Amino acid sequence: EAGVAQSPRYKIIEKRQSVAFWCNPISGHATLYWYQQILGQGPKLLIQFQNNGVVDDSQLPKDRFSAERLKGVDSTLKIQPAKLEDSAVYLCASSPSRGHEFFGQGTRLTVV
Amino acid sequence: AQSVAQPEDQVNVAEGNPLTVKCTYSVSGNPYLFWYVQYPNRGLQFLLKYITGDNLVKGSYGFEAEFNKSQTSFHLKKPSALVSDSALYFCAVSPGYGGATNKLIFGTGTLLAVQP
Repeated sequence: EAGVAQSPRYKIIEKRQSVAFWCNPISGHATLYWYQQILGQGPKLLIQFQNNGVVDDSQLPKDRFSAERLKGVDSTLKIQPAKLEDSAVYLCASSPSRGHEFFGQGTRLTVV
Repeated sequence: AQSVAQPEDQVNVAEGNPLTVKCTYSVSGNPYLFWYVQYPNRGLQFLLKYITGDNLVKGSYGFEAEFNKSQTSFHLKKPSALVSDSALYFCAVSPGYGGATNKLIFGTGTLLAVQP
């Protein structure tokens, strides 16, 4: 089966600019996640969707980060404005109703 | 609060020798435990999981892990290491299995280096 698709793979922006990441989960997976992985750390959950609805966004910096999942399929994560500390790999994952998570290759963001 | 600890930043082992990557956890209730591997410039790949049942679980690429409830550990093992096993390994815990309860809480990762 096709895996989780993410784009772009790499992005370099200046601080205070905005950026958006896109994720297409595995077909049929109801649950979608965005994780932030800072260099040298484990991934940290930013937001979790169940179909169209948000299940958990407790660690999402809502003053600058936003995410949506249209029609319960694709999702976008946006940062506006970006800060230097947002430099990280942003991982998208999806899971079926009963099963473990499948991860995409991630988007490496560098804020300069 | 649920947490995962991986006490070793790096584990070095010679090819052909057994390897162990340690993981301990702190959760309330019954844990669901996972191991993922991350190769350079690749996403996280699922290795194995413990949901319930037999304490020794077998996963991909010859890896296995032993769940020890009394020691709250879930160490990853392999009888004979390969150079191609060199990667970053993450232990994770989840409050549930599947769907809305399946968010993962990760450890900080352990870099496994297998020398030829």
